[in-house]
Amino acid sequence: SQTIHQWPATLVQPVGSPLSLECTVEGTSNPNLYWYRQAAGRGLQLLFYSVGIGQISSEVPQNLSASRPQDRQFILSSKKLLLSDSGFYLCAWSPASGRASETQYFGPGTRLLVL
Amino acid sequence: EDQVTQSPEALRLQEGESSSLNCSYTVSGLRGLFWYRQDPGKGPEFLFTLYSAGEEKEKERLKATLTKKESFLHITAPKPEDSATYLCAGGGLTGGGNKLTFGTGTQLKVEL
Repeated sequence: SQTIHQWPATLVQPVGSPLSLECTVEGTSNPNLYWYRQAAGRGLQLLFYSVGIGQISSEVPQNLSASRPQDRQFILSSKKLLLSDSGFYLCAWSPASGRASETQYFGPGTRLLVL
Repeated sequence: EDQVTQSPEALRLQEGESSSLNCSYTVSGLRGLFWYRQDPGKGPEFLFTLYSAGEEKEKERLKATLTKKESFLHITAPKPEDSATYLCAGGGLTGGGNKLTFGTGTQLKVEL
């Protein structure tokens, strides 16, 4: 069966510091990968998605970037964090093709607090 | 712009008191309507995918239905362990990936 991991689970960072959040998926090959942010009282906002190694699409302009160095690894980064980057970051995966590719499965999330 | 609206924002039920959660959507090129359950501090847990109007899916005390404009999540005889936030999302298609537009959720509390 497939599993998705995220780390760290929680992170407290000062404004202006760098960020690296990691997501890995096990038990599947060539998944579609997604990064979302969930702010309190708001719906999940899609930040980035990837259909393959090195292929990243950005949904909203922001202070963040994403990379996919390996097939089942997705990284969310920032060079300098802003207060507004605080939130709950969720990684998700979906199968690569077919109707099943439309269903996304989420990881446990990373709670980021920027002070 | 794609939109998904959920109502009510919060719902308090007594154990055994059945009810329904609503999800209204306007999503261009809708490829699926998705329901998730989210417990506090955790990632959303997948419940159902509905692909076409008239489709219904069931899982234990939950049943999801879909029309051309909205979806309902019916909860029959709920128990306290059903307390969670229920998220609805409409799936469109963009650039080869699958984009989900989420509602803000319905926070359900089931009391003894």
